[in-house]
Amino acid sequence: DTEVTQTPKHLVMGMTNKKSLKCEQHMGHRAMYWYKQKAKKPPELMFVYSYEKLSINESVPSRFSPECPNSSLLNLHLHALQPEDSALYLCASTGGGSSYNEQFFGPGTRLTVL
Amino acid sequence: GQNIDQPTEMTATEGAIVQINCTYQTSGFNGLFWYQQHAGEAPTFLSYNVLDGLEEKGRFSSFLSRSKGYSYLLLKELQMKDSASYLCALRDDKIIFGKGTRLHILP
Repeated sequence: DTEVTQTPKHLVMGMTNKKSLKCEQHMGHRAMYWYKQKAKKPPELMFVYSYEKLSINESVPSRFSPECPNSSLLNLHLHALQPEDSALYLCASTGGGSSYNEQFFGPGTRLTVL
Repeated sequence: GQNIDQPTEMTATEGAIVQINCTYQTSGFNGLFWYQQHAGEAPTFLSYNVLDGLEEKGRFSSFLSRSKGYSYLLLKELQMKDSASYLCALRDDKIIFGKGTRLHILP
């Protein structure tokens, strides 16, 4: 299984809503990432979890709150977002066994904030 | 800090060969990735170089020179489906992407 799954595929939320993005991998990877990608721009790193601990926070506003409940799951909790936060949110994982040199991306969640 | 440079856009003809260059400056280096990304989709892993030299994988090859801070992605026998953005990404304690090169394939 070389797959990273993300739910939901699409999300529309208001600025006062609270929602969560979910990411799951069963490749035994020990590093998991959240990226944000705006149209025609490269992915921008937001957070890195290594062995279920937050190792990198790229100065992301507190309205984005990551969580790693276990080695297979990664969540991104959203609260009081702004319209400029509308983007494609990508989860990725690396590390472990023969796939150490690869980074696998999930299909992303396309978020629209109204 | 890190700095990654790639051409913004390139155009090539179906059946031809194209080379996409990536130059970088970084204080730490643990490898360099190449990804393909079609519009509206997630990036797809193409290659990972950690040692100098050429890695070949089918129609795609990737080259790395650590001393020169230089890599390239070589695409052979171009097909229309190769029209996409190609992203170079550096790995030290995290993975940082270049701005990407949009490749247009003409029939």
